[in-house]
Amino acid sequence: QVQLVESGGGLVKPGGSLTISCAASGFTFTDYFISWVRQPPGKGLEWLSYISYSGGGTYYADSVKGRFTISRDNARNSVSLQMNDLRAEDTAVYYCARGDDWGDYWGQGTLVNVSS
Amino acid sequence: VLTQPPAASAPLGASVKLTCSLSSGHSGYAVAWHQQQPQKGPRFLMKLNTDGSHRKGDGIPDRFSGSSLGTERYLTISSLQSEDEADYYCQTWDTGIWVFGGGTRLSVL
Repeated sequence: QVQLVESGGGLVKPGGSLTISCAASGFTFTDYFISWVRQPPGKGLEWLSYISYSGGGTYYADSVKGRFTISRDNARNSVSLQMNDLRAEDTAVYYCARGDDWGDYWGQGTLVNVSS
Repeated sequence: VLTQPPAASAPLGASVKLTCSLSSGHSGYAVAWHQQQPQKGPRFLMKLNTDGSHRKGDGIPDRFSGSSLGTERYLTISSLQSEDEADYYCQTWDTGIWVFGGGTRLSVL
């Protein structure tokens, strides 16, 4: 069955960096875009970024452009999100989702806590 | 772009119709509906087209249906069950961007 599993979240100080990952299984990975979406505590969903099948196309929300970088490793069926210059407002659960126009499968999320 | 009422409620066993309103410049856009139960990741329910046709996600029960009218996109849940108590988000897309509505928290009374 389709599975997306996020990992790598944790506590990081403001201004720090963190890379989170999404491991995919149960489908042909190269047939799908992969997206990252986050949810601050008690708030709604915010789309961050997605990456095309080969990784040649990447898109970002204005809120993270220039600070976050999405990449994929098709040999390992995984997508990463490198996050730099982290701020308190980046504190959220980060989800990966399969799809380009909408997410038809989602992971369970990984919590990133930006705090001193 | 997408506006949702923050809360809705309905009794167990009843039906409820949730609304997602598109801004006037986006009246031709399809949307996706997602359900998020407490402490869980979102779950894709359906893609809903402007003509009301919809394609549901894997394993989504027939109790969930969608419809469209103008700039409104609706999610109807019939025979409400306790596990339907959740947040419901509509989502649309354009080149290089996804947009989410603010979500509706559904309480099953």
